Amino acid sequence: EADIYQTPRYLVIGTGKKITLECSQTMGHDKMYWYQQDPGMELHLIHYSYGVNSTEKGDLSSESTVSRIRTEHFPLTLESARPSHTSQYLCASSEGWGAQYFGPGTRLTVT
Amino acid sequence: DQQVKQNSPSLSVQEGRISILNCDYTNSMFDYFLWYKKYPAEGPTFLISISSIKDKNEDGRFTVFLNKSAKHLSLHIVPSQPGDSAVYFCAASGSNYQLIWGAGTKLIIKP
Repeated sequence: EADIYQTPRYLVIGTGKKITLECSQTMGHDKMYWYQQDPGMELHLIHYSYGVNSTEKGDLSSESTVSRIRTEHFPLTLESARPSHTSQYLCASSEGWGAQYFGPGTRLTVT
Repeated sequence: DQQVKQNSPSLSVQEGRISILNCDYTNSMFDYFLWYKKYPAEGPTFLISISSIKDKNEDGRFTVFLNKSAKHLSLHIVPSQPGDSAVYFCAASGSNYQLIWGAGTKLIIKP
C-alpha cells in the first residue's frame, strides 16, 4: 500500500492569499500528479512530474505552480487565491505507468 | 468532450446481491483501464485494472470486464457489502500514459 500524505486536509482562506499545498510520498515513486476534483465531476490533471526537476502542466488550465526538488516532495502553490480555486486537490504518485496511488486530499475553500 | 463516461450518477443495490458499474469510452487508443473507489473527504483508492489484451480480470469480490468492440467496461462486485458504498471512478490511459477519468457513480448498498 502506498504511503502518500497531504497537508493541510482542510483550508479556508481569504481572497488574494498565497498558499502551498504539501504532498509527500515515501514509496520512492518517480511519477507524481496533482488533480483537481469537484463534487460529481471527474478528476482533472493540473500538474505532473516524471522525476526530480521535471514538471508539466496537465489538461486543466491552472493558475497554480509546482516544484519537484526531491523525489518524495511535490508541493503545489497558488500565488493569489480566488473563490474559483475552491475545490478538492488530490495528489498521487505511481511507479512507472501503473496504477496511481492517492493521498487523502486537501479541501480548499477561498472566501 | 468526455472521453470516459459513467452514465449512471448513482446505483442502489441490496446487500449480498451483485453490483454492476458501467463505463464507456470513445478513444480506441486507450489500452489500460482502472477502477477506483472513493469515500467522501478521502482520496481515491485503486481497486482493479485491466489491459486491453484481456477481456476479464478478477480480484476477490471484484471483476472487471472489457468489451473493446463496444468500448465498454464494467465492474462487478459480488457479493455487495455495506462497506462498498462509495463513489466508483473508472479511468483510462493510452500512449501518453495520463489517466482520463469518468465522473463517477455513487454506489449505495442497502441493508
